[in-house]
Amino acid sequence: GAVVSQHPSRVICKSGTSVKIECRSLDFQATTMFWYRQFPKKSLMLMATSNEGSKATYEQGVEKDKFLINHASLTLSTLTVTSAHPEDSSFYICSARQEVNQPQHFGDGTRLSIL
Amino acid sequence: LAKTTQPISMDSYEGQEVNITCSHNNIATNDYITWYQQFPSQGPRFIIQGYKTKVTNEVASLFIPADRKSSTLSLPRVSLSDTAVYYCLVGESSGGYQKVTFGTGTKLQVIP
Repeated sequence: GAVVSQHPSRVICKSGTSVKIECRSLDFQATTMFWYRQFPKKSLMLMATSNEGSKATYEQGVEKDKFLINHASLTLSTLTVTSAHPEDSSFYICSARQEVNQPQHFGDGTRLSIL
Repeated sequence: LAKTTQPISMDSYEGQEVNITCSHNNIATNDYITWYQQFPSQGPRFIIQGYKTKVTNEVASLFIPADRKSSTLSLPRVSLSDTAVYYCLVGESSGGYQKVTFGTGTKLQVIP
């Protein structure tokens, strides 16, 4: 149980393109979903937290107009990297949690490469 | 906000028990302690979660002392496939919602 599917697993695109990443909880309803970014050999960095039906809460230093998050249902959240540039290249990981104080369950990440 | 401190790295021989300790001095009353395992280019995988005393499941045990200011993940008889980064997370309540912050993690290298 507690499976989170993240798609696509890898994206390579040109600078200026907008990229959408989907995160789905397959066998549970996620009241909260999280988006992380991870650089090579570094820890996960929380970008934003979203609760179903409300606006995402962004961490300090994360541009909300750059990284658009939508959490329209209890099983789906999307992250759109708008007008991506090479410095946006990274490993993006989502997680979903059913309730407070329950563990997060993570997707397998999306490797984004902007040329 | 509760922060966590772990050793940066550990080495262990195959078949040995490995104990990884995490410090979380500012843990709040409502916070749970959760451990994750991460392999390269994959998302973290849930290992175990606890609130106090001892929790055991099919892959690990979690020991939490009475003051809850630290916790120890115990992996029995590790194998080469247990080589990974292990993260200790403590729940945080901030602004009406709860989030967690990943620390540096512990890179465990299992040696044949």
